[in-house]
Amino acid sequence: DADVTQTPRNRITKTGKRIMLECSQTKGHDRMYWYRQDPGLGLRLIYYSFDVKDINKGEISDGYSVSRQAQAKFSLSLESAIPNQTALYFCATSDRWGSYTDTQYFGPGTRLTVL
Amino acid sequence: AQRVTQPEKLLSVFKGAPVELKCNYSYSGSPELFWYVQYSRQRLQLLLRHISRESIKGFTADLNKGETSFHLKKPFAQEEDSAMYYCALSSSNTGKLIFGQGTTLQVKP
Repeated sequence: DADVTQTPRNRITKTGKRIMLECSQTKGHDRMYWYRQDPGLGLRLIYYSFDVKDINKGEISDGYSVSRQAQAKFSLSLESAIPNQTALYFCATSDRWGSYTDTQYFGPGTRLTVL
Repeated sequence: AQRVTQPEKLLSVFKGAPVELKCNYSYSGSPELFWYVQYSRQRLQLLLRHISRESIKGFTADLNKGETSFHLKKPFAQEEDSAMYYCALSSSNTGKLIFGQGTTLQVKP
């Protein structure tokens, strides 16, 4: 679904560097999420945002920060990258759906390698 | 604690065989359960959700609150079903998903 895009798609960096991963969406959704995917661990939530002024930590937020620049943009930063942050990172969006959880729409992923 | 467990990393079956991907959850309250799928070179996408009670691509899943399970089933596997499958749970009204570890389904010809 080209409505959710992530840049860059691949990145190799060194320990200690600051890295920003960007996510943009044209679906008009209020809610955006950042996950990391590791083999054998599935997807784990890093941060989520229900609107521009509402940002929340997920289960593994240490070492990460986020910025919701607009409804359509949600960036994830690694302030000082370390090797165990090597993973596949996914952005996702969703809308409100009454009292139920709406479908999440995922970006293509960013493969980050920290040397 | 809220948790989703998929006990099988890899499930390998032959085409035409029945498939059951297991999912167990831990949640105090009324959960919403989902199955997401990621086909090769495609994005992770929703396959089905328990409240819809629908069959998608021949797959069904029934929420069993007594056994805290939401197993995904298909009577006759097809090669195009080969993919990574994630079971996920949502706490009511928050929109946050908790994913299991994922199961790779390999359907052999």
